[in-house]
Amino acid sequence: NAGVTQTPKFQVLKTGQSMTLQCAQDMNHEYMSWYRQDPGMGLRLIHYSVGAGITDQGEVPNGYNVSRSTTEDFPLRLLSAAPSQTSVYFCAAGRSSYEQYFGPGTRLTVT
Amino acid sequence: QQQVKQSPQSLIVQKGGISIINCAYENTAFDYFPWYQQFPGKGPALLIAIRPDVSEKKEGRFTISFNKSAKQFSLHIMDSQPGDSATYFCAATSGTYKYIFGTGTRLKVLA
Repeated sequence: NAGVTQTPKFQVLKTGQSMTLQCAQDMNHEYMSWYRQDPGMGLRLIHYSVGAGITDQGEVPNGYNVSRSTTEDFPLRLLSAAPSQTSVYFCAAGRSSYEQYFGPGTRLTVT
Repeated sequence: QQQVKQSPQSLIVQKGGISIINCAYENTAFDYFPWYQQFPGKGPALLIAIRPDVSEKKEGRFTISFNKSAKQFSLHIMDSQPGDSATYFCAATSGTYKYIFGTGTRLKVLA
């Protein structure tokens, strides 16, 4: 039981490039979410999902897309990376809307 | 109205002392208030949580005090240890899986 896994651990992108941050969980949890963490700003919710096929926007959704075709996976897509998207990204999963287990994070740098 | 304000930004405590971190919220729809602990390079991990129908919850050396009328809650770490040195985040949610996090407190416990 690996919990929540995220790949890659580190990534460097050039402005305008696209990429997908992967998040997978083996706990069969319905709820999943993506956050970004920036110094002095805590964690801010990007997108979340309450089940396969259902996603919604969080606090800072612009520039990011998500989809949830399976219970296990919740990828985050950056369509055209910008330096403002340099951050540490965390994925979380939970059995209920009151539960979150976080993954180890992906550190993204956009130059 | 969605903000959760956390203070202090940083805290230095002697080993064996009491660490106190405070949070304030405005949205009275919030009904779950967790605290997360994060070590460098790791994802946040749930430490302790409280619902607004109780004024205090204790788990080992960690206690949450909750003041519903003042819309404030705080984390007390008794007998603080060097191993407690980490960043602590308060959060709040109303059960929609949309969490609002505080900006974090970096705690350093001196040996």
